[in-house]
Amino acid sequence: DQQVKQNSPSLSVQEGRISILNCDYTNSMFDYFLWYKKYPAEGPTFLISISSIKDKNEDGRFTVFLNKSAKHLSLHIVPSQPGDSAVYFCAASSLLYNFNKFYFGSGTKLNVKP
Amino acid sequence: DTGVSQDPRHKITKRGQNVTFRCDPISEHNRLYWYRQTLGQGPEFLTYFQNEAQLEKSRLLSDRFSAERPKGSFSTLEIQRTEQGDSAMYLCASSWVAGGTTGELFFGEGSRLTVL
Repeated sequence: DQQVKQNSPSLSVQEGRISILNCDYTNSMFDYFLWYKKYPAEGPTFLISISSIKDKNEDGRFTVFLNKSAKHLSLHIVPSQPGDSAVYFCAASSLLYNFNKFYFGSGTKLNVKP
Repeated sequence: DTGVSQDPRHKITKRGQNVTFRCDPISEHNRLYWYRQTLGQGPEFLTYFQNEAQLEKSRLLSDRFSAERPKGSFSTLEIQRTEQGDSAMYLCASSWVAGGTTGELFFGEGSRLTVL
């Protein structure tokens, strides 16, 4: 059951421009969302999270937007840098289930061209 | 604390052999999760522990898989009679969950299993 979906397997942007990565979910019980970044042969690294009581959270160059009615979240990276090139995963969990598991999307591979 | 550590980083084994992976979580975390990741996919939940109690297991975790977390510290994931389909990256993560709130999952570097 693919409850979290990332429909774009890859994205290529120019250095300095905005990168927008998208994620959709199907379970309306999800109330905690996260973005992770993963380099090859390493574990995922936490980037930013958002609770369902908010619709935006910002941390430096990274901003996550949450649209609960559309069950959609996005990660904006501005400005994009070559070091941002990695695979990005969105994840979701629920307080209702006491955060017993986190569901991950299949990832979007971001390539930032110098 | 240096974060979540996993050992070994790589394991190559022959079909039918048993393998064991170890995870040392961040010491103050009370939750420990095991995930599996295959090429082109996101991490898939296998099981999690709250302190030493294993509270949930995915149906992905067949009878050949067993996980333990003695004394609520490190955890081991054992795969018996490995099959080629077990080849994957096995990820361990830890977090702190209390009072209806949680922090993010902190992942280890992963243990890559190759079954020949």
